[in-house]
Amino acid sequence: DGGITQSPKYLFRKEGQNVTLSCEQNLNHDAMYWYRQDPGQGLRLIYYSQIVNDFQKGDIAEGYSVSREKKESFPLTVTSAQKNPTAFYLCASSSQGTTGPPSGNTIYFGEGSWLTVV
Amino acid sequence: AQSVTQLDSQVPVFEEAPVELRCNYSSSVSVYLFWYVQYPNQGLQLLLKYLSGSTLVKGINGFEAEFNKSQTSFHLRKPSVHISDTAEYFCAVSVPDDKIIFGKGTRLHILP
Repeated sequence: DGGITQSPKYLFRKEGQNVTLSCEQNLNHDAMYWYRQDPGQGLRLIYYSQIVNDFQKGDIAEGYSVSREKKESFPLTVTSAQKNPTAFYLCASSSQGTTGPPSGNTIYFGEGSWLTVV
Repeated sequence: AQSVTQLDSQVPVFEEAPVELRCNYSSSVSVYLFWYVQYPNQGLQLLLKYLSGSTLVKGINGFEAEFNKSQTSFHLRKPSVHISDTAEYFCAVSVPDDKIIFGKGTRLHILP
C-alpha cells in the first residue's frame, strides 16, 4: 500500500545528543514536510522540500536540520541546539510542490514519531 | 498574512447529538481550506477540503463544512456524533509555496 512511513515511533534522547527521525514515502510525491506538534499548539512547520536537493526553513527551524537526497526520503535531525525537543513529530507529503500562489493540494501525513529527552 | 483560528479548544457533546466545530480564517490570496482529524497517537487524516464551487462540502464519516466568505468561516458539522468521533480536529488553510497553516485544534469529547 502507498503511504508515508515514519520511524521510530518512540525515541528517547539524552541531553546533548543528536537524533535522526526517518520519513519515507512511496506515493511519488514531490513535496515533503516536517511538523512539530505540542499540546494546545497545533502543528508548526519545521522544514519543507518541494523538490529533491532543495529545502526551505519553516517557522521553527532552529535546532533542526534536514536533507533531501532522494525523492522518497526526507530525514529530520534534531540537534543538541534544540532546547526543548520533546514533542510529537509528523512527516507529510503532497503530490506537487509549487512556488507562488497556493494550489490547494492535499497534504498526507505519516503516523508520527514521539521524541522524549531524558 | 494567512491565519486560522479555532474558537474552541475543547467541545463536549452527548452521543447522537449534533456538533459544530468553529473555524475562522484570514487570507489575502485564493482560499483553500481543509479539516483534518487526528485520533490518539496517530497522524492526521483529511476529512474534507474546499477548493471552489459549492460552499457546502461533504467529507468522510458523515462530516460536512460550509465555506462562508463574508464571515471568513469554515465551520465543521455533524448531525449525530458517535463515540468513535472522539478525536482532535484541525482546521487549515493553504498558503503560498503549497504550505498549509493549521489552527491549534479542537478536542471533541463524546459523552455517553
